[in-house]
Amino acid sequence: EDQVTQSPEALRLQEGESSSLNCSYTVSGLRGLFWYRQDPGKGPEFLFTLYSAGEEKEKERLKATLTKKESFLHITAPKPEDSATYLCAVLVGGYQKVTFGTGTKLQVIP
Amino acid sequence: DADVTQTPRNRITKTGKRIMLECSQTKGHDRMYWYRQDPGLGLRLIYYSFDVKDINKGEISDGYSVSRQAQAKFSLSLESAIPNQTALYFCATSGGLAGVTDTQYFGPGTRLTVL
Repeated sequence: EDQVTQSPEALRLQEGESSSLNCSYTVSGLRGLFWYRQDPGKGPEFLFTLYSAGEEKEKERLKATLTKKESFLHITAPKPEDSATYLCAVLVGGYQKVTFGTGTKLQVIP
Repeated sequence: DADVTQTPRNRITKTGKRIMLECSQTKGHDRMYWYRQDPGLGLRLIYYSFDVKDINKGEISDGYSVSRQAQAKFSLSLESAIPNQTALYFCATSGGLAGVTDTQYFGPGTRLTVL
């Protein structure tokens, strides 16, 4: 069974304090890994898609990386507006269905 | 205007009532999905459709049905709502190009409460 595990469940940072969120996965035939940001009561907002081990993508203060077993979302010098839940999801080849992790709730304190 | 819209945004109903949630998209995508989100459980797939004539069950389809009225419209029905169907419901779309790993784009969600 495909599994996606995100850690930590919650993370509290001071403004400017860099950190990383982890997404580990156990799947057969990874086609793609996705990162989303979700604000309370709103739909997930797409951030990145990673396709192969070694790939990296950046957007403002966020950088996503991918290995054969996990992905990291690095947050550099976060600001309070980065507070949200960050979701990781994987697409497995042959099924075209996405399995989501339960997310990491990030709080950035001024 | 939003690319993926959902109506209604909030709905309170009673046990046993029939409810329909609607989703429309202007992204021109072939594939559409319905998910529900519960605290601590993450997003779970209810139904998905790769084109107008294709409907597939997801991992939690019991108690739900769907209709793909057009490429841009996908509705979710609860035939007889029960309290444990209280959740946030999201519609999503993806491009579905053959051979391409497609990203899903989500609507704003419908908060459904079943009393």
